[in-house]
Amino acid sequence: DQQVKQNSPSLSVQEGRISILNCDYTNSMFDYFLWYKKYPAEGPTFLISISSIKDKNEDGRFTVFLNKSAKHLSLHIVPSQPGDSAVYFCAASGSNTGKLIFGQGTTLQVKP
Amino acid sequence: DTEVTQTPKHLVMGMTNKKSLKCEQHMGHRAMYWYKQKAKKPPELMFVYSYEKLSINESVPSRFSPECPNSSLLNLHLHALQPEDSALYLCASSQQQGADYGYTFGSGTRLTVV
Repeated sequence: DQQVKQNSPSLSVQEGRISILNCDYTNSMFDYFLWYKKYPAEGPTFLISISSIKDKNEDGRFTVFLNKSAKHLSLHIVPSQPGDSAVYFCAASGSNTGKLIFGQGTTLQVKP
Repeated sequence: DTEVTQTPKHLVMGMTNKKSLKCEQHMGHRAMYWYKQKAKKPPELMFVYSYEKLSINESVPSRFSPECPNSSLLNLHLHALQPEDSALYLCASSQQQGADYGYTFGSGTRLTVV
């Protein structure tokens, strides 16, 4: 039973446009959500996070939106750059366990 | 130093071998984690150490044996592995146990069991 789902395995976007990556979760006990970026042969790199008490968090070109009632979060990248091309993982955690549950990942390709 | 260093980067071992994976951080983080990632799958938690004590074991088979000899070092001892254990093994650390402290991941050890 997958508690964190990223239903789009891949996304292709033109440079300069917006990239929107989506993530759904099923466990209402999750209270902290994170996005990681991963290049091949490297470990995941933290991008941005959001606590369940917020509905939006912004850091430069990256914004994460959380809709608790829909159990849905999204990552917006504006403007998208070719260097953003990577696999993006959504992750969720609950009650300070330190246990991250990852989604399957979405491969983003930003075309020049 | 803001890195988590994992060695070796690649490891090929037979099913009767004993080997160890090593993870090191010098950020003063008191929580360290082992994750396993199979091809085209998300990382899955194996173990969590908090203040050098095992905090979470996600029902991992005993052929995987973690060890935290000090606050900077985390080992994963491997014995009698199966080919299906071939995967990328990721180590991570955080200031304290808890996702809101932020994880720093290492680059991983690519393990192949033959």
